[in-house]
Amino acid sequence: QVQLQESDPGLVKPSGTLSLTCAVSGGSISGSNWWSWVRQPPGKGLEWIGEMYHSGSSNYNPSLKSRVTISVDKSKNQFSLKVSSMTAADTAVYYCAMRNGDYAWFDPWGQGTLVTVSS
Amino acid sequence: DIQMTQSPSSLSASVGDRVTITCRASQSISSYLNWYQQKPGKAPKLLIYAASSLQSGVPSRFSGSGSGTDFTLTISSLQPEDFATYYCQQSYNTPRTFGPGTKVDIK
Repeated sequence: QVQLQESDPGLVKPSGTLSLTCAVSGGSISGSNWWSWVRQPPGKGLEWIGEMYHSGSSNYNPSLKSRVTISVDKSKNQFSLKVSSMTAADTAVYYCAMRNGDYAWFDPWGQGTLVTVSS
Repeated sequence: DIQMTQSPSSLSASVGDRVTITCRASQSISSYLNWYQQKPGKAPKLLIYAASSLQSGVPSRFSGSGSGTDFTLTISSLQPEDFATYYCQQSYNTPRTFGPGTKVDIK
């Protein structure tokens, strides 16, 4: 059973870059699934950030595309998210998730990590 | 982008009640619709995928229906552990988008 665990960057300074990793256990990142990031500002709804396949194929939310990079590290069985030019509006709980099947549902999810943008 | 709306935005119900939540897409998405439950401080949990398929381990009191633009999540008999926020998500294309959520609380 696949389990996901996000790293914990905590505080990011305005204009800085967020770097997060999601460790995959119980399965291979080189399988048939895509690897995704979703975020949730405090008290608000869910926003899809993007996804990547182990081959390097990727899809990004156009609203964030210019600032976001997702990568896969097969040697470490993990995937990563970088978001540049962070502002207070990027303060959120960031989740990693596995995308399944043709109907692209997200399961499982990591436990989430709160990223606060503050000086 | 495909816009997702949900109604109601919140509802109050009692244990044992039948609860129905509606999700509407801004264009036809066939059956590319998934439902999640989220409790405070926790990650979303998949309930239903492909509009009507029950995720393994999810109680059978949860069901989903619909296709095209209109979808429904039904809880046949609300249990204490079902008080949570429910989100729909379209997977027809990217960007994948979620509905704003429906909060179910205790009457």
